[in-house]
Amino acid sequence: DTAVSQTPKYLVTQMGNDKSIKCEQNLGHDTMYWYKQDSKKFLKIMFSYNNKELIINETVPNRFSPKSPDKAHLNLHINSLELGDSAVYFCASSPRYTGELFFGEGSRLTVL
Amino acid sequence: GNSVTQMEGPVTLSEEAFLTINCTYTATGYPSLFWYVQYPGEGLQLLLKATKADDKGSNKGFEATYRKETTSFHLEKGSVQVSDSAVYFCALSDQSGAQKLVFGQGTRLTINP
Repeated sequence: DTAVSQTPKYLVTQMGNDKSIKCEQNLGHDTMYWYKQDSKKFLKIMFSYNNKELIINETVPNRFSPKSPDKAHLNLHINSLELGDSAVYFCASSPRYTGELFFGEGSRLTVL
Repeated sequence: GNSVTQMEGPVTLSEEAFLTINCTYTATGYPSLFWYVQYPGEGLQLLLKATKADDKGSNKGFEATYRKETTSFHLEKGSVQVSDSAVYFCALSDQSGAQKLVFGQGTRLTINP
């Protein structure tokens, strides 16, 4: 039973398209995150939600819009995709805030 | 702002060699420190953590000690195995209330049989 699951695992699309990545966690955690990992493996936080409330938005372009319908789900929608959006996007969750994040397997987005 | 710096990779060792991956940090206050590991094709997993100065985190033969005087949290293992091949990330918690981890750039480790 996967704790943090993301779909799709791979996404190849053209510039200018709109795409979504879904994330679900079955751990009962309060806090969920989106991180972006670039081609050099550098990880940067994008968003964090606590009980469906946005608490971190790290100067991400407003083409990126997270949505949390309930505390077990955090989806990421990206409008007008650009080449620079190509990366692996990781969803994660944590119980309150302990620093222990549980990561999904990642969603590799390739923009052509 | 808070930041984490890790030694440049990639690091290649033979099986049973001694491993050190250096990590230093810059932070205000008293952050908690973490090592995460990412195996090929997977998400990150917590390897070990330390929440205050002089604490030692340990797991799976890996150890790291929170050194406030040198602002370091170096990862060590006495005898590495091929299965330890992965990317290792040092991280610190942001104590500002923003509830986020700041990661280092990652160090790729390859162990040859």
